[in-house]
Amino acid sequence: NAGVTQTPKFQVLKTGQSMTLQCAQDMNHNSMYWYRQDPGMGLRLIYYSASEGTTDKGEVPNGYNVSRLNKREFSLRLESAAPSQTSVYFCASSEAFVVNTEAFFGQGTRLTVV
Amino acid sequence: GESVGLHLPTLSVQEGDNSIINCAYSNSASDYFIWYKQESGKGPQFIIDIRSNMDKRQGQRVTVLLNKTVKHLSLQIAATQPGDSAVYFCAERSGYALNFGKGTSLLVTP
Repeated sequence: NAGVTQTPKFQVLKTGQSMTLQCAQDMNHNSMYWYRQDPGMGLRLIYYSASEGTTDKGEVPNGYNVSRLNKREFSLRLESAAPSQTSVYFCASSEAFVVNTEAFFGQGTRLTVV
Repeated sequence: GESVGLHLPTLSVQEGDNSIINCAYSNSASDYFIWYKQESGKGPQFIIDIRSNMDKRQGQRVTVLLNKTVKHLSLQIAATQPGDSAVYFCAERSGYALNFGKGTSLLVTP
């Protein structure tokens, strides 16, 4: 079972460049999330999509945009990368927004902005 | 704002001993809690969860205890093995998504 798949796994960007992180899940989950993980900071929510067709800001949305392309896919875009966006990015999905169920995580994308 | 925190950033235990990882939360509205394990270079993996109407839940070698009175959560790992070495996160859901603590690094020594 693939679960949650993220691409790419690694990326180096120059300041000001743009890129899109891709995420797809094959568990027919309704809700999807993007987190970033920085040393000593735990995981912080960037954006989430409670269901197909909806997206909302999380704790740290500045500098990012998202698209819920369909039920399976949820992408994260950096329009103009900054060194402060150097981080490990995790996509996650869960069965439903209001149901207390676990979130399943992808393997992460390690992004370095120079 | 609300926060989820961990008492100890690192924990070193000998193989075969029991491990206890603690977590404090401050949002009294939280009604669902999860423990995740994260190995180096991987995404967080679900270990065990507990709902706020329970105070204890057991899995295979793991037990989660919830004390709502003091807003405290703990993860107990029995007979800790080298493969248990990882960072452990508690997370709580009180709204739209999971709110994670900063993590505790568990190191199992032979």
